[in-house]
Amino acid sequence: DQQVKQNSPSLSVQEGRISILNCDYTNSMFDYFLWYKKYPAEGPTFLISISSIKDKNEDGRFTVFLNKSAKHLSLHIVPSQPGDSAVYFCAAIAGGTSYGKLTFGQGTILTVHP
Amino acid sequence: GAGVSQSPSNKVTEKGKDVELRCDPISGHTALYWYRQRLGQGLEFLIYFQGNSAPDKSGLPSDRFSAERTGESVSTLTIQRTQQEDSAVYLCASSLGFSAFFGQGTRLTVV
Repeated sequence: DQQVKQNSPSLSVQEGRISILNCDYTNSMFDYFLWYKKYPAEGPTFLISISSIKDKNEDGRFTVFLNKSAKHLSLHIVPSQPGDSAVYFCAAIAGGTSYGKLTFGQGTILTVHP
Repeated sequence: GAGVSQSPSNKVTEKGKDVELRCDPISGHTALYWYRQRLGQGLEFLIYFQGNSAPDKSGLPSDRFSAERTGESVSTLTIQRTQQEDSAVYLCASSLGFSAFFGQGTRLTVV
């Protein structure tokens, strides 16, 4: 039972353009969402998060959008840079506390071409 | 260092042998996770420790897998009678709030 789904296994984008990574979830109890980035041979690193009380959170080139009614979130990277090439995982926590278990999606491989 | 530390970074073992993987979380972090990532796959949840609560073991794939954590410190993941399908990168993460911090992982190869 995959509660967090990233349906696109890969995405290829030209440098300078926008990258849009998508994530869908099924558990309506999820109320906090995170994006992680993973380079080969390294552990995932936290990128950006959003609480369910918001619909948008922006941090520099990275913006996360949350559509609760559709149970959908997306990560926008503008402008995309070759160094952004990595695997991106979305994750979710249920329960409104910091004690929920992180549930991850399968990941999307982003390749940004110079 | 101040990050999550995992050892060994690489482990090659023969099929049927037992292995122990170690995770040193960030000091003070009450939550600790183990995940694994097989080649070409996503992050697969294995086990979750939160403070003194009973661990969530719902992700352990078989009874060959077990994990322990002493208080809010070190955790060990043990795989008994390893099989080739156990080959993966095993990732540990710790957390105090919403965001978890990952170690570099242990790459396990079963030959």
